[in-house]
Amino acid sequence: EVQLLESGGGVVQPGGSLRLSCAASGFNFRSYSIIWVRRAPGKGLEWVTGFRGSDGTTYYPDSADSVKGRFTISRDISRNTLYLQMNSLRAEDTAIYYCAKASGEIGASIYFDYWGQGTLVTVSS
Amino acid sequence: EIVMTQSPATLSVSPGERATLSCRASQSVSTNLAWYQQKPGQAPRLLIYGASTRATGIPARFSGSGSGTEFTLTISSLQSEDFALYYCQQYNDWWTFGQGTKVEIK
Repeated sequence: EVQLLESGGGVVQPGGSLRLSCAASGFNFRSYSIIWVRRAPGKGLEWVTGFRGSDGTTYYPDSADSVKGRFTISRDISRNTLYLQMNSLRAEDTAIYYCAKASGEIGASIYFDYWGQGTLVTVSS
Repeated sequence: EIVMTQSPATLSVSPGERATLSCRASQSVSTNLAWYQQKPGQAPRLLIYGASTRATGIPARFSGSGSGTEFTLTISSLQSEDFALYYCQQYNDWWTFGQGTKVEIK
């Protein structure tokens, strides 16, 4: 059974840092991409960053408010865990953060077939 | 960026009735369209991919249709467990989501 479990959310001051974890099980961690998606209060779902399992390449949206340069992904294969390091946090980063397993690898037309329950990040002074 | 627009924002339906949710893309996404269901405090669940293919374990009362820019999710006879938030997502060009349709009890 595929499972994804996020942890690490909490309250942090603007400019601060937080590291989220996504513990995965039930599938080959190195054969699928994992995507971080967030939902800010009153807003829709937005993909934040994506990680290709086969080669560790990280992807970011081209949008103006992309987190590129502030958020980075790392992976511990021995623990089947993906980490999202979030630095220079802003109020607009406040959201529920989900990790989602993709149906394949980034580069193909892939959707998200399994999701975690999410972890809440609140950026506030 | 492809913008996804869902309508209506809220749909009030009685149990046993049919619900029809719409999703429009700002440009063609072919059939690279997925639907997700989310209940409060729970993970989103994949319902439909490829515009019309039900995901594993999804009941037959859920059906998807459309291609290009216009898509529909139909729930043929609403059950109590179907009252939730529904999102469409295009995966033709990276990923973008609609704002969601809340299906509530009438």
